[in-house]
Amino acid sequence: QSALTQPPSVSGSPGQSVTISCTGTSSDIGLYNRVSWYQQPPGTAPKLMIYEVGNRPSGVPDRFSASKSGNTASLTISGLQAEDEADYYCSSYTSSTLVVFGGGTKLTVL
Amino acid sequence: QLQLQESGPGLVKPSETLSLTCSVSGVSISTSTYYWGWIRQPPGKGLEWIGSIYFSGSTYYNPSLKSRVTISIDTSKNQFSLKLSSVSAADTALYYCARLRVTTIGFDSWGQGTLVTVSS
Repeated sequence: QSALTQPPSVSGSPGQSVTISCTGTSSDIGLYNRVSWYQQPPGTAPKLMIYEVGNRPSGVPDRFSASKSGNTASLTISGLQAEDEADYYCSSYTSSTLVVFGGGTKLTVL
Repeated sequence: QLQLQESGPGLVKPSETLSLTCSVSGVSISTSTYYWGWIRQPPGKGLEWIGSIYFSGSTYYNPSLKSRVTISIDTSKNQFSLKLSSVSAADTALYYCARLRVTTIGFDSWGQGTLVTVSS
């Protein structure tokens, strides 16, 4: 089971927008809309930010949006704030094993 | 208020079996709406899904760990457990238990995590 591919790091200045990509295969992201995104600030447990490609749980700011095209999902954070600095992980349903995570992306707010 | 709480030894010797329990409060674990799962995170590294279990007892494991992992569920105690055999230093990690919604395959509630160190 290969992990989904994410860039190791991205950065942006306050107020800007950043996009984090998550590339899978035609057996996971490409085939199913069960893609989730998690935010993990240092020293804390991950928090679900997006589910089913582009849906936000209650309480997640609408500055967080996500989409999917082919085998690649993307998370966009607009109006970047200092509190958004964290590690971000994608995950997808895969029929072969159930769940696969991405390697994680460290977001730095400059 | 849903809470998940991991418990178990924080230190395990190499070649022995790591055993953790996740106690769930605030909701019945006997629900068709969710799987229950374990995820780990080695120090400074990313998340790795270990496996998940359904209330019926059906299990799903990460192929890379499948030969060493057993996840079980005790609906009478509202908890589920992880056993990882033949551990090595590579199994040193923060271990999280979490709830996985069946329809979305999103982990929507997490425990705080428990650090397990493998060392003699």
